[in-house]
Amino acid sequence: DQQVKQNSPSLSVQEGRISILNCDYTNSMFDYFLWYKKYPAEGPTFLISISSIKDKNEDGRFTVFLNKSAKHLSLHIVPSQPGDSAVYFCAASASSGGSNYKLTFGKGTLLTVNP
Amino acid sequence: SAVISQKPSRDICQRGTSLTIQCQVDSQVTMMFWYRQQPGQSLTLIATANQGSEATYESGFVIDKFPISRPNLTFSTLTVSNLSPEDSSIYLCSVEGGGYTFGSGTRLTVV
Repeated sequence: DQQVKQNSPSLSVQEGRISILNCDYTNSMFDYFLWYKKYPAEGPTFLISISSIKDKNEDGRFTVFLNKSAKHLSLHIVPSQPGDSAVYFCAASASSGGSNYKLTFGKGTLLTVNP
Repeated sequence: SAVISQKPSRDICQRGTSLTIQCQVDSQVTMMFWYRQQPGQSLTLIATANQGSEATYESGFVIDKFPISRPNLTFSTLTVSNLSPEDSSIYLCSVEGGGYTFGSGTRLTVV
């Protein structure tokens, strides 16, 4: 059972435009969400996170939006740059239950930013 | 955030053999995590390793197949034992801090 879903395996955008990556989750216990970027032959790199007490978090070109009622979050990259081309993973954790360290990941979305 | 050195970066192993993966962290950390990413799948937590105690394994993963050592606060190894082609995956270690930091991964191919 996939508790974190990234339904778009790939996304292609033009340089300078907005990239929107989506993530859905089913576990209502999740209360902390993270986005990672992964280049080939490297480990995932943390990008940005959001707690369930917020609905938006911004860091430079990256903004994460959380819609708890829809169990949906999205990562916006504005403006997109060719160097943003990578696989993006959404991850979630639950602070209760004694396993708040455990991250549940989606399968990732390959973003290609075309010059 | 911590810097992790993970070795080897890749390996090709024969069925029935074992592979040991090492992760060295540049600072002391309480918890280290081991993940597996099978082809086309998401990262899945294998186990959590605390120094001085046995690792805690997630459902579907057992110590006999994935023995873990954690001799000190900066180092851990994961062994994948009795290899089969189904073990062909990327294995990653991770530590808390900076939104969780990951090693560069070990790509294992079993032939």
